[in-house]
Amino acid sequence: DTGVSQDPRHKITKRGQNVTFRCDPISEHNRLYWYRQTLGQGPEFLTYFQNEAQLEKSRLLSDRFSAERPKGSFSTLEIQRTEQGDSAMYLCASSPGDRDTDTQYFGPGTRLTVL
Amino acid sequence: GQNIDQPTEMTATEGAIVQINCTYQTSGFNGLFWYQQHAGEAPTFLSYNVLDGLEEKGRFSSFLSRSKGYSYLLLKELQMKDSASYLCAVWDSNYQLIWGAGTKLIIKP
Repeated sequence: DTGVSQDPRHKITKRGQNVTFRCDPISEHNRLYWYRQTLGQGPEFLTYFQNEAQLEKSRLLSDRFSAERPKGSFSTLEIQRTEQGDSAMYLCASSPGDRDTDTQYFGPGTRLTVL
Repeated sequence: GQNIDQPTEMTATEGAIVQINCTYQTSGFNGLFWYQQHAGEAPTFLSYNVLDGLEEKGRFSSFLSRSKGYSYLLLKELQMKDSASYLCAVWDSNYQLIWGAGTKLIIKP
């Protein structure tokens, strides 16, 4: 396993359309995180999973955003009725789930552009 | 509120040493991470500190003082490839990572 992968790497869509992104974590990792990052800012937490359970979701996340991890492996992030403000890099990270040093490893990201 | 402060941008010369500071105010503390992020790429893990003191890893070292809410990343023998943003992130009491905005490091020949 070479690390976290994300698909697609780039997505251009028109305002109002729905988009879905996929993340495949490092295979033995229990935790999976979604972040959003805009230019010149650090990653902004969206949500995270422990196996298939979604344990936390940012209060900043609108109802247009939904994430799933149905079998505790890959995850999808869907954005409905996209808005221009959704344009950002969407990052996925995974971690072993060990609380002592639970380092997160990031995928290459999906860059979303909403026209 | 929770807050992490880092300088926005720093410039250094190839072969020199640079120190990037990070101060934090968070609800609880379970460790501090440093990540490197090249433009257009994902963050990559550099270091983790949970106890006070200096952790050395090759050309990079990271220091933590929990009582002062302060950390720094020290980069020695700078190379052009070290030009990147350096992100400080703190694990709060809920084990959620709180991120700084990052420090853009520019290396000049």
